[in-house]
Amino acid sequence: AQSVSQHNHHVILSEAASLELGCNYSYGGTVNLFWYVQYPGQHLQLLLKYFSGDPLVKGIKGFEAEFIKSKFSFNLRKPSVQWSDTAEYFCVGGSQGNLIFGKGTKLSVKP
Amino acid sequence: EPEVTQTPSHQVTQMGQEVILRCVPISNHLYFYWYRQILGQKVEFLVSFYNNEISEKSEIFDDQFSVERPDGSNFTLKIRSTKLEDSAMYFCASSEWAGSYASDTEAFFGQGTRLTVV
Repeated sequence: AQSVSQHNHHVILSEAASLELGCNYSYGGTVNLFWYVQYPGQHLQLLLKYFSGDPLVKGIKGFEAEFIKSKFSFNLRKPSVQWSDTAEYFCVGGSQGNLIFGKGTKLSVKP
Repeated sequence: EPEVTQTPSHQVTQMGQEVILRCVPISNHLYFYWYRQILGQKVEFLVSFYNNEISEKSEIFDDQFSVERPDGSNFTLKIRSTKLEDSAMYFCASSEWAGSYASDTEAFFGQGTRLTVV
Protein backbone atom coordinates (compact mmCIF):
# COMPACT_ATOMS: atom_id res chain seq x y z
CA ALA A 1 0.00 0.00 0.00
CA GLN A 2 1.13 3.51 -0.70
CA SER A 3 2.29 5.37 2.35
CA VAL A 4 4.22 8.40 3.47
CA SER A 5 5.82 8.44 6.87
CA GLN A 6 7.33 11.25 8.87
CA HIS A 7 9.78 10.40 11.57
CA ASN A 8 9.22 13.16 14.06
CA HIS A 9 5.97 14.10 15.71
CA HIS A 10 7.20 17.25 17.45
CA VAL A 11 10.48 19.09 16.99
CA ILE A 12 11.55 21.96 19.22
CA LEU A 13 14.39 24.20 18.11
CA SER A 14 15.91 27.52 19.05
CA GLU A 15 16.07 30.31 16.50
CA ALA A 16 19.00 30.02 14.09
CA ALA A 17 19.24 26.25 14.58
CA SER A 18 19.28 24.07 11.48
CA LEU A 19 16.27 21.97 10.64
CA GLU A 20 15.86 18.61 8.99
CA LEU A 21 12.51 16.83 8.97
CA GLY A 22 12.51 13.27 7.77
CA CYS A 23 10.09 11.79 5.28
CA ASN A 24 9.98 8.40 3.62
CA TYR A 25 7.58 7.20 1.01
CA SER A 26 6.71 3.75 -0.17
CA TYR A 27 4.99 3.45 -3.47
CA GLY A 28 5.99 2.76 -6.98
CA GLY A 29 5.20 4.41 -10.24
CA THR A 30 5.41 8.14 -10.75
CA VAL A 31 6.78 9.80 -7.67
CA ASN A 32 5.37 13.23 -6.95
CA LEU A 33 6.34 14.60 -3.57
CA PHE A 34 5.39 17.75 -1.75
CA TRP A 35 5.93 19.49 1.53
CA TYR A 36 2.99 21.47 2.81
CA VAL A 37 3.01 23.76 5.82
CA GLN A 38 0.14 24.82 8.04
CA TYR A 39 0.75 27.88 10.17
CA PRO A 40 -1.47 28.24 13.24
CA GLY A 41 -4.99 29.13 12.20
CA GLN A 42 -4.20 29.10 8.50
CA HIS A 43 -4.73 26.80 5.55
CA LEU A 44 -2.28 24.30 4.14
CA GLN A 45 0.27 25.97 1.89
CA LEU A 46 2.71 24.41 -0.53
CA LEU A 47 6.36 24.82 0.48
CA LEU A 48 7.92 22.93 -2.40
CA LYS A 49 7.35 20.06 -4.79
CA TYR A 50 9.28 17.45 -6.69
CA PHE A 51 8.11 15.79 -9.89
CA SER A 52 11.31 15.03 -11.78
CA GLY A 53 14.72 16.48 -12.64
CA ASP A 54 17.07 17.99 -10.09
CA PRO A 55 16.57 16.04 -6.87
CA LEU A 56 17.41 19.09 -4.78
CA VAL A 57 14.32 21.25 -4.73
CA LYS A 58 14.20 24.77 -3.41
CA GLY A 59 10.97 26.15 -2.03
CA ILE A 60 9.67 29.27 -0.40
CA LYS A 61 11.00 30.87 2.78
CA GLY A 62 14.46 29.30 2.49
CA PHE A 63 13.29 25.68 2.63
CA GLU A 64 14.69 22.94 0.46
CA ALA A 65 14.25 19.21 0.15
CA GLU A 66 16.27 16.45 -1.40
CA PHE A 67 14.77 13.48 -3.18
CA ILE A 68 16.96 10.42 -2.64
CA LYS A 69 15.50 7.59 -4.65
CA SER A 70 17.74 4.89 -3.16
CA LYS A 71 16.54 5.77 0.32
CA PHE A 72 12.93 6.52 -0.64
CA SER A 73 13.38 9.78 1.23
CA PHE A 74 12.40 13.40 0.74
CA ASN A 75 13.71 15.25 3.78
CA LEU A 76 12.97 18.90 4.36
CA ARG A 77 15.77 21.22 5.40
CA LYS A 78 16.37 24.79 6.40
CA PRO A 79 19.79 26.05 7.51
CA SER A 80 18.52 28.57 10.07
CA VAL A 81 14.98 28.56 11.43
CA GLN A 82 13.05 31.57 12.66
CA TRP A 83 10.29 31.88 15.22
CA SER A 84 7.86 32.45 12.33
CA ASP A 85 8.59 28.93 11.07
CA THR A 86 6.55 27.54 13.95
CA ALA A 87 3.94 25.43 12.18
CA GLU A 88 2.97 21.91 11.25
CA TYR A 89 4.76 20.40 8.27
CA PHE A 90 3.31 17.65 6.12
CA CYS A 91 5.18 15.45 3.69
CA VAL A 92 2.80 14.44 0.93
CA GLY A 93 3.02 12.08 -1.99
CA GLY A 94 0.82 11.16 -4.88
CA SER A 95 -0.79 12.74 -7.87
CA GLN A 96 -4.11 13.41 -9.55
CA GLY A 97 -5.18 15.07 -6.33
CA ASN A 98 -5.20 11.75 -4.50
CA LEU A 99 -2.57 12.95 -2.11
CA ILE A 100 -1.22 10.74 0.63
CA PHE A 101 -0.30 12.71 3.70
CA GLY A 102 2.25 11.90 6.34
CA LYS A 103 1.14 12.37 9.94
CA GLY A 104 2.74 15.77 10.13
CA THR A 105 5.54 17.19 12.24
CA LYS A 106 4.89 20.05 14.60
CA LEU A 107 7.81 22.46 14.66
CA SER A 108 8.12 24.83 17.60
CA VAL A 109 10.84 27.47 17.35
CA LYS A 110 11.81 29.19 20.57
CA PRO A 111 12.77 32.87 20.23
CA GLU B 1 -3.73 35.91 -4.55
CA PRO B 2 -6.65 33.58 -5.36
CA GLU B 3 -7.60 31.18 -2.62
CA VAL B 4 -9.99 28.39 -1.79
CA THR B 5 -12.62 29.46 0.72
CA GLN B 6 -14.65 27.23 2.98
CA THR B 7 -17.73 27.92 5.04
CA PRO B 8 -18.52 27.61 7.82
CA SER B 9 -15.26 27.54 9.72
CA HIS B 10 -16.88 25.54 12.51
CA GLN B 11 -20.09 23.55 12.47
CA VAL B 12 -21.67 21.74 15.38
CA THR B 13 -24.39 19.24 14.59
CA GLN B 14 -26.35 16.53 16.36
CA MET B 15 -25.76 12.92 15.53
CA GLY B 16 -28.04 11.78 12.74
CA GLN B 17 -28.44 15.21 11.23
CA GLU B 18 -27.42 16.11 7.70
CA VAL B 19 -24.67 18.65 7.15
CA ILE B 20 -23.44 20.43 4.06
CA LEU B 21 -19.93 21.80 3.97
CA ARG B 22 -19.32 24.45 1.37
CA CYS B 23 -16.28 25.34 -0.65
CA VAL B 24 -15.52 27.88 -3.33
CA PRO B 25 -12.53 26.62 -5.34
CA ILE B 26 -10.20 28.88 -7.27
CA SER B 27 -12.11 30.05 -10.31
CA ASN B 28 -10.05 28.59 -13.17
CA HIS B 29 -9.42 25.27 -11.46
CA LEU B 30 -10.93 22.11 -12.87
CA TYR B 31 -10.29 19.51 -10.17
CA PHE B 32 -11.79 19.59 -6.72
CA TYR B 33 -11.13 17.49 -3.66
CA TRP B 34 -12.23 16.85 -0.14
CA TYR B 35 -9.91 15.67 2.60
CA ARG B 36 -10.48 15.21 6.28
CA GLN B 37 -8.33 15.10 9.37
CA ILE B 38 -9.62 13.48 12.53
CA LEU B 39 -7.96 15.02 15.57
CA GLY B 40 -4.53 13.52 16.09
CA GLN B 41 -4.61 11.53 12.87
CA LYS B 42 -3.42 11.93 9.31
CA VAL B 43 -5.05 14.03 6.68
CA GLU B 44 -7.04 11.53 4.57
CA PHE B 45 -8.25 11.74 1.01
CA LEU B 46 -12.02 11.46 0.59
CA VAL B 47 -12.92 12.24 -2.99
CA SER B 48 -11.86 13.99 -6.17
CA PHE B 49 -14.25 15.56 -8.66
CA TYR B 50 -13.80 16.56 -12.27
CA ASN B 51 -16.16 17.44 -15.08
CA ASN B 52 -19.19 17.17 -12.82
CA GLU B 53 -18.51 13.68 -11.64
CA ILE B 54 -16.49 11.84 -9.05
CA SER B 55 -13.16 10.76 -10.52
CA GLU B 56 -11.82 8.94 -7.49
CA LYS B 57 -12.95 8.18 -3.97
CA SER B 58 -11.51 6.47 -0.94
CA GLU B 59 -13.02 3.75 1.23
CA ILE B 60 -14.05 6.41 3.71
CA PHE B 61 -16.35 7.99 1.14
CA ASP B 62 -19.31 5.66 1.59
CA ASP B 63 -22.99 6.11 0.80
CA GLN B 64 -23.54 8.68 3.51
CA PHE B 65 -21.25 11.11 1.67
CA SER B 66 -22.01 12.94 -1.53
CA VAL B 67 -20.48 15.84 -3.42
CA GLU B 68 -22.01 18.30 -5.76
CA ARG B 69 -21.14 21.33 -7.81
CA PRO B 70 -24.55 23.02 -7.74
CA ASP B 71 -23.45 26.07 -9.71
CA GLY B 72 -20.34 27.42 -11.38
CA SER B 73 -18.57 28.34 -8.20
CA ASN B 74 -19.53 26.16 -5.23
CA PHE B 75 -18.41 22.65 -4.40
CA THR B 76 -20.21 20.96 -1.54
CA LEU B 77 -19.76 17.91 0.64
CA LYS B 78 -22.93 16.48 2.15
CA ILE B 79 -22.97 14.03 5.01
CA ARG B 80 -26.48 12.56 5.21
CA SER B 81 -26.66 11.19 8.71
CA THR B 82 -23.73 12.29 10.79
CA LYS B 83 -22.02 9.99 13.25
CA LEU B 84 -19.78 10.88 16.16
CA GLU B 85 -16.79 9.57 14.23
CA ASP B 86 -17.41 12.09 11.45
CA SER B 87 -16.08 14.79 13.76
CA ALA B 88 -13.01 16.10 12.00
CA MET B 89 -11.52 19.00 10.12
CA TYR B 90 -12.65 18.87 6.50
CA PHE B 91 -10.43 20.45 3.88
CA CYS B 92 -11.47 21.37 0.39
CA ALA B 93 -8.81 21.71 -2.30
CA SER B 94 -8.65 22.51 -5.97
CA SER B 95 -6.06 22.22 -8.70
CA GLU B 96 -5.74 23.57 -12.17
CA TRP B 97 -4.78 20.34 -13.82
CA ALA B 98 -4.07 16.82 -12.69
CA GLY B 99 -2.76 15.10 -15.80
CA SER B 100 -0.22 12.31 -15.77
CA TYR B 101 2.54 14.55 -17.01
CA ALA B 102 1.52 17.50 -14.96
CA SER B 103 4.15 19.78 -13.65
CA ASP B 104 1.57 21.85 -11.85
CA THR B 105 -0.48 19.35 -9.89
CA GLU B 106 -0.35 21.57 -6.90
CA ALA B 107 -3.48 21.43 -4.84
CA PHE B 108 -4.55 24.63 -3.11
CA PHE B 109 -6.29 24.07 0.18
CA GLY B 110 -8.96 25.97 2.03
CA GLN B 111 -8.72 26.76 5.72
CA GLY B 112 -10.96 23.89 6.62
CA THR B 113 -14.29 23.39 8.34
CA ARG B 114 -14.17 21.90 11.80
CA LEU B 115 -17.17 19.59 12.11
CA THR B 116 -18.19 18.55 15.60
CA VAL B 117 -20.88 15.91 15.93
CA VAL B 118 -22.48 15.72 19.36
